[in-house]
Amino acid sequence: QKEVEQDPGPLSVPEGAIVSLNCTYSNSAFQYFMWYRQYSRKGPELLMYTYSSGNKEDGRFTAQVDKSSKYISLFIRDSQPSDSATYLCAMSDPSGSARQLTFGSGTQLTVLP
Amino acid sequence: EAQVTQNPRYLITVTGKKLTVTCSQNMNHEYMSWYRQDPGLGLRQIYYSMNVEVTDKGDVPEGYKVSRKEKRNFPLILESPSPNQTSLYFCASSSGLAGWGGETQYFGPGTRLLVL
Repeated sequence: QKEVEQDPGPLSVPEGAIVSLNCTYSNSAFQYFMWYRQYSRKGPELLMYTYSSGNKEDGRFTAQVDKSSKYISLFIRDSQPSDSATYLCAMSDPSGSARQLTFGSGTQLTVLP
Repeated sequence: EAQVTQNPRYLITVTGKKLTVTCSQNMNHEYMSWYRQDPGLGLRQIYYSMNVEVTDKGDVPEGYKVSRKEKRNFPLILESPSPNQTSLYFCASSSGLAGWGGETQYFGPGTRLLVL
């Protein structure tokens, strides 16, 4: 079993839709949770970061962490064609080795105009 | 402009022919990593470095070597490439351990490698 599971999609939605992207994980020691966005032929870039459980909002993006269920989500409101990308969840265990991040496999999102 | 650069961007080689992918960052970051990205498997860490002359294995180090002789450079070496090393490779850097206290990990543009 992978430490982090992410629905690979692809996911296609009309412009203006609310998008929900999700990851589940098995390592209860994960404390830091991130979402990266990767455009085609580019490297990933950090989109959202949260620590432990709770919600964090940044413009049209909301990240949610439910540690009791080992489940994290990224919501995109009023989705735009420019949001079309692959979204990767990532998480880290600060008590472990100096290894950095464990990534999900990514969900490919297309927002249709 | 703050950036991570990788060269080459695309590389086709044959089994057994040694190659090096260079990585350089201009942000004075201490932490650097190499990842490979494969369909369905996501990003997997190959090696990381916490500072000059300090490197350690990630999740998939077999068949790879790295060195960190200067803070800005972190080359990835494939001594004897094999077809199962065909992948998309990313170098990344951060000022602290990525994911700790919101440290951002900056990624390079990627190197697409095909080993025949």
